[in-house]
Amino acid sequence: DTAVSQTPKYLVTQMGNDKSIKCEQNLGHDTMYWYKQDSKKFLKIMFSYNNKELIINETVPNRFSPKSPDKAHLNLHINSLELGDSAVYFCASSQLGGIYEQYFGPGTRLTVT
Amino acid sequence: EDKVVQSPLSLVVHEGDTVTLNCSYEVTNFRSLLWYKQEKKAPTFLFMLTSSGIEKKSGRLSSILDKKELSSILNITATQTGDSAIYLCAVDSGGSNYKLTFGKGTLLTVNP
Repeated sequence: DTAVSQTPKYLVTQMGNDKSIKCEQNLGHDTMYWYKQDSKKFLKIMFSYNNKELIINETVPNRFSPKSPDKAHLNLHINSLELGDSAVYFCASSQLGGIYEQYFGPGTRLTVT
Repeated sequence: EDKVVQSPLSLVVHEGDTVTLNCSYEVTNFRSLLWYKQEKKAPTFLFMLTSSGIEKKSGRLSSILDKKELSSILNITATQTGDSAIYLCAVDSGGSNYKLTFGKGTLLTVNP
């Protein structure tokens, strides 16, 4: 039973395309997050949602738009993909933002060619 | 801007050695410090340290928070090859932002 799942696991696409990554958690958590991990393994937060409401929106290009249809799902849509978007994107969730540990999904490796 | 610095960036040891990984932080409102282990895929949670829980231990792993020095250490005794991973330190700076700031990690390699 996967706690935090992401699809797809791998995504290879060309510059200029639009793509989405989906995330679902079955832990009953209130808060969900998107992180980007670059080639040097540096993990940086992009967005945080609490009960479907956007809480954190770090300095991320407007081409990235998160959508939370319900508190168990947080999807990430990326428009006009660029080479620099290539990275591993992790979804995470926690019981209450920041007070409890975050559980991470398996990651989506995005390669833009 | 919140900052988390880990050292060393990488470390190579032999099985059976004891290692100490360091994490220091500068944040506006400290609430907790977390350690994660990342092998091939997702980071997995190890410990959370707060003002009311400054020392944690689980098997061969232990961690201490020094609020005065704004730092934490993660100790691993009798290392095994399965301990090879990136160890990430993250700090929750509190407030309503629910934000974890991560360090760049320490890559630990344990050779047989």
